[in-house]
Amino acid sequence: EVQLVESGGGLVQPGGSLRLSCAASGFTFSSYWMSWVRQAPGKGLEWVANIKQDGSEKYYVDSVKGRFTISRDNAKNSLYLQMNSLRAEDTAVYYCARDGDGDYEDYWGQGTLVTVSS
Amino acid sequence: QSVLTQPPSVSGAPGQRVTISCTGSSSNIGAGYDVHWYQQLPGTAPKLLIYGNSNRPSGVPDRFSGSKSGTSASLAITGLQAEDEADYYCQSYDSSLSEGVFGGGTKLTVL
Repeated sequence: EVQLVESGGGLVQPGGSLRLSCAASGFTFSSYWMSWVRQAPGKGLEWVANIKQDGSEKYYVDSVKGRFTISRDNAKNSLYLQMNSLRAEDTAVYYCARDGDGDYEDYWGQGTLVTVSS
Repeated sequence: QSVLTQPPSVSGAPGQRVTISCTGSSSNIGAGYDVHWYQQLPGTAPKLLIYGNSNRPSGVPDRFSGSKSGTSASLAITGLQAEDEADYYCQSYDSSLSEGVFGGGTKLTVL
């Protein structure tokens, strides 16, 4: 059974940093692109970033470029999102997701809430 | 303002058929990129419902179907059930933005 479990969310002040983690199990982690998708409170879904199987390619939504860094450790079956210079508009539930054969996410974690507030 | 436009809400009685539209442009759906659909039940993570315009993952009932034409796509739900009450999102790729994009979401209410 595919499982994705996020952790690392919490309350952080504007300008602060946070590192999200996603532990994957039930599939060969190193064979899949992985993504982060976020959802602001009461709002829709927004794709944030994704990373190729070997970490050689990474893509970001414009609003987080230069502030967020996606990475992975295939030996630990883990995905990460380092978030720096956080802003109030980054407040959201962040989902870790496995990418399918096309540009879609076929499995999602339960999400971790990030709140940016003073 | 989402790149893909969905109606904010739709509703239907149990047993009825409802459709949810997803309208894009020549840089996403109209450019030939696939459309995918997700269901998000209240308080839960999104779940893949349709991928590649019309394909259902294992376990998704055949009451759910997807189609695409031109710059738009649609999700149809037949034999509406109370458990279908959820938010539905379409997704595609946009070549102008060079990123995946979601529709704003549609809340389905089962009357």
